[in-house]
Amino acid sequence: GAGVSQSPRYKVAKRGQDVALRCDPISGHVSLFWYQQALGQGPEFLTYFQNEAQLDKSGLPSDRFFAERPEGSVSTLKIQRTQQEDSAVYLCASTKRPIQETQYFGPGTRLLVL
Amino acid sequence: AQTVTQSQPEMSVQEAETVTLSCTYDTSENNYYLFWYKQPPSRQMILVIRQEAYKQQNATENRFSVNFQKAAKSFSLKISDSQLGDTAMYFCAFLKGGSEKLVFGKGTKLTVNP
Repeated sequence: GAGVSQSPRYKVAKRGQDVALRCDPISGHVSLFWYQQALGQGPEFLTYFQNEAQLDKSGLPSDRFFAERPEGSVSTLKIQRTQQEDSAVYLCASTKRPIQETQYFGPGTRLLVL
Repeated sequence: AQTVTQSQPEMSVQEAETVTLSCTYDTSENNYYLFWYKQPPSRQMILVIRQEAYKQQNATENRFSVNFQKAAKSFSLKISDSQLGDTAMYFCAFLKGGSEKLVFGKGTKLTVNP
């Protein structure tokens, strides 16, 4: 089936605006992950869902970052009051089963905060 | 906390030649998994190869193979018969047993020259 999709692919926001980034995992995949990739760096873990339960949000950098997956499929990462340091590519990944599975990544959303 | 180090920010190789990308990691865990991911300029992260730490045999996947040295905490990737399509960022990643949080290195930019 289709891979992980993310939208929008590019987002430009003015400092202080709220943004919402969407992730559609592979159909039937139980686990979903969000990563932040700054320019020239490797991805860094933000948060993880198993179905609709958010099991780990230890990587969220501040309380301005919020993620949800209310029905256990599509997920939204919301950033409130964006700051310039939030500029990055936000990657979503999913796995079929929750245990030690290979993660399949989406193309990412490139966020630029001006 | 686990760390992953990729000491080669950039590398280049001629088409059809062999290249080795290095990765070292630091962990006190005995149960873990290691991955190499490829990220072409389009930014979709693709799994290249996966190694379970409990397996002594090095993983191979067509032209890609790893040299896993558990005692030295080293996990290098060998690409044989390099092709132009191998041009990409390559990330080494670590997954602790029982965790779902991938830890990435900073990446190596590989360029395959015609």
